[in-house]
This record gives sequence, C-alpha cells and structure tokens, in this order.
Amino acid sequence: QKEVEQNSGPLSVPEGAIASLNCTYSDRGSQSFFWYRQYSGKSPELIMSIYSNGDKEDGRFTAQLNKASQYVSLLIRDSQPSDSATYLCGLLGGTSYGKLTFGQGTILTVHP
Amino acid sequence: NAGVTQTPKFQVLKTGQSMTLQCAQDMNHNSMYWYRQDPGMGLRLIYYSASEGTTDKGEVPNGYNVSRLNKREFSLRLESAAPSQTSVYFCASRDTGANVLTFGAGSRLTVL
Repeated sequence: QKEVEQNSGPLSVPEGAIASLNCTYSDRGSQSFFWYRQYSGKSPELIMSIYSNGDKEDGRFTAQLNKASQYVSLLIRDSQPSDSATYLCGLLGGTSYGKLTFGQGTILTVHP
Repeated sequence: NAGVTQTPKFQVLKTGQSMTLQCAQDMNHNSMYWYRQDPGMGLRLIYYSASEGTTDKGEVPNGYNVSRLNKREFSLRLESAAPSQTSVYFCASRDTGANVLTFGAGSRLTVL
C-alpha cells in the first residue's frame, strides 16, 4: 500500500468554483502534512503545511486535517485559471524519522 | 543565495552507463532528499538523508546509490543505467525547524 494516496483526478472546475483535493495516508504516526503546487515543467512549491486536527486557512486556500480518519484535504475557493497545476500531498512519516513522501498528485484545470 | 542546485539539468545515457547527479544546498539544512517524477506517479522518494552522516532508503531505491558527502552535498549515483530510470529527478532539502522542503530545478535523465 502506498503511504499517501490522492484522489486520482484529473479535476476540472469552472473559474470561481471551489476545488476540493483529497488525500489519505497509512502511517498513523505522521505529524506533519503538506500541500505543494507544481506547474508544468517547474519544481514543486509549498502552498500550505498543517500539523493539528482541524482547518487552516491562508487566503483562498484551506487545508483540513483529520488524524482519526487519516485524511487531509485542500480546498481552493474562487478558483482561478492560474490555479491550474498539479497538486501534491506530502507527509513527514512518524515511524521513519525524516522520511517525507508524496502522493501521486492531482491535476487541476480551472477553465474560464 | 542559490538554494538547492542540481547538476546536470539534462543527460542522455546509454543502457549500462553510469552517472552521478549532484545536489548542493546553501541553506544549512540538515535533511536532504532525492525524488523521481514520472507521468501520473507524483514524486517518489528514492533515498533520503535525515542528517549528515545518515542515509536511508525511500520507496524506490533499487538501482541507485547515494552519498551524503557533507552537510551541503547529497549525490545520487546510477551504477548501470536502465531505460526504466528515464525520469525527472528532483533533489530537495528541508529546514527541520520550519519544516519547509525546498526543491532544486530538476534533472531530466533519458536512458536509451
């Protein structure tokens, strides 16, 4: 079983809509969770990190963490065409110190 | 402040040849990582070094070796390249305090 699983996508939403990206993980000891955005041909860049159960908001982005359900999500409100990218869910493993793994990514397209 | 520098950016190899991908960071980060990225597969962890003097296998270590030469440098070696190792390789380093992973620009490797 892969340590991090993302909803496979691709996901297409109209401009102005809410995009919802989901991720589940297997290591119950994981403490740190990340969402990265990657534009085509570029390196991943950090959008948000989350460590505690609940919601964390940053502008149009909200990360949600539920450790009991081993579930992390990212909501993008008022989606813009510039949000079109691959979104990668990552986590810092609890059982292996320093091990940082990612899911397979979700391709998001926001159409005008 | 260059961040994470990877060399080379592009390389074409023949099956059976060997090569080393170099990575250096100037941010005094303790942890360093090598990932490969293939279409639809997200980022897969090859090897990581949680701190200077330690290295550990990731999800897909077969066919690769690594060396953490010092705190700044973490190299990835392909001893006998295979077509299945055609990929984009990313090096990254992590600030364990801020928990932010910074990526290099990537190295595109083609094995014929």
